[in-house]
Amino acid sequence: DAKTTQPTSMDCAEGRAANLPCNHSTISGNEYVYWYRQIHSQGPQYIIHGLKNNETNEMASLIITEDRKSSTLILPHATLRDTAVYYCIVRGANSKLTFGKGITLSVRP
Amino acid sequence: GAVVSQHPSRVICKSGTSVKIECRSLDFQATTMFWYRQFPKQSLMLMATSNEGSKATYEQGVEKDKFLINHASLTLSTLTVTSAHPEDSSFYICSAIWANTDTQYFGPGTRLTVL
Repeated sequence: DAKTTQPTSMDCAEGRAANLPCNHSTISGNEYVYWYRQIHSQGPQYIIHGLKNNETNEMASLIITEDRKSSTLILPHATLRDTAVYYCIVRGANSKLTFGKGITLSVRP
Repeated sequence: GAVVSQHPSRVICKSGTSVKIECRSLDFQATTMFWYRQFPKQSLMLMATSNEGSKATYEQGVEKDKFLINHASLTLSTLTVTSAHPEDSSFYICSAIWANTDTQYFGPGTRLTVL
């Protein structure tokens, strides 16, 4: 499965958009990009996924570059409850998810 | 969205005993479930893939005789940690694939402490 690279951490102000980048330069044509987040001592929460088109749901938007080598998760109006570790994962054909270290997002008041 | 539950949420046991953790898909059927383990300040590590009606597939380095997995129905998978030792203390998390979206949904996790 293709590996992903994310910054270690970032912060943003409450009410602002949080843009979380992810690089996946070795992604294959049939591999999806998934985003999950994990709040301390809880199970991961599914956020969004996409193949090549941009996607939006009630939680976030996912922007995938045309060459599919990177993507950005956008939380349009971050709240304190969005503070978590965010994982960008490329899912292979066997449905397995390989979690990296993720990016720690801190939303400040 | 799909909901996955785990029971118990916390368990403390003595060294040498066995502990069973249940993972249930509450509003959907799941032919495939996964078991992960997470040590403090580390990421999730996949332990095994649980398929309904067949033997689980374990990741390299995971002892199948120590971590017994049973997926007897389309809504329930169990993980039994046999002869638990303090080094087995960890956060165990399951997930289930909801076929409608081909997406994994995770349970809330089980905190195991072996004394």
